[in-house]
Amino acid sequence: DTGVSQDPRHKITKRGQNVTFRCDPISEHNRLYWYRQTLGQGPEFLTYFQNEAQLEKSRLLSDRFSAERPKGSFSTLEIQRTEQGDSAMYLCASSLEGRRAGWDGYTFGSGTRLTVV
Amino acid sequence: AQSVTQLDSQVPVFEEAPVELRCNYSSSVSVYLFWYVQYPNQGLQLLLKYLSGSTLVESINGFEAEFNKSQTSFHLRKPSVHISDTAEYFCAVKGNTPLVFGKGTRLSVIA
Repeated sequence: DTGVSQDPRHKITKRGQNVTFRCDPISEHNRLYWYRQTLGQGPEFLTYFQNEAQLEKSRLLSDRFSAERPKGSFSTLEIQRTEQGDSAMYLCASSLEGRRAGWDGYTFGSGTRLTVV
Repeated sequence: AQSVTQLDSQVPVFEEAPVELRCNYSSSVSVYLFWYVQYPNQGLQLLLKYLSGSTLVESINGFEAEFNKSQTSFHLRKPSVHISDTAEYFCAVKGNTPLVFGKGTRLSVIA
């Protein structure tokens, strides 16, 4: 298993454009999470999925943000009408829930760095 | 809800000196505790975790952390740091919500 993959690694976009990021989790993991990290801050939770169901969304996730996880495998995070304040590192993580013994917590991808100009 | 406070935003330390990065948490439920490390332009890597059992947990590269329930702390220590330990360190807590992170501590090891 190659871990959690995120694509692209970097994205520069003009204000007002739409962007979409992809995350491929560890294949046997049933939960997938999206976090946002701005400069000098810790990661902030955005949303998560249990298989294909989106179970929770943070207040940080405005109406311009949408996330999907079709078929419970990869996930996409779309930002519509980007703003300069959306510039951040977007991190994806996955975990296997339901088995507490030896639980490894979340495995993170390398992130997608978004710059809105 | 849970929260995490990392008391130091930056910690400079000379090579081979000991270091402690402080972490306090708040939660009304039982928690799991984690330390993650982040190198520049990379994602987060799990350093060590406390789930249950022994309150002292260790990583493979010499870091250790002790869960102190009465003080709601999970401080990270290393007796002798190396240049390669220079990175951002994040303490995180999981209770009945997804993982909550502190703001991070930047450890800078000086030769």
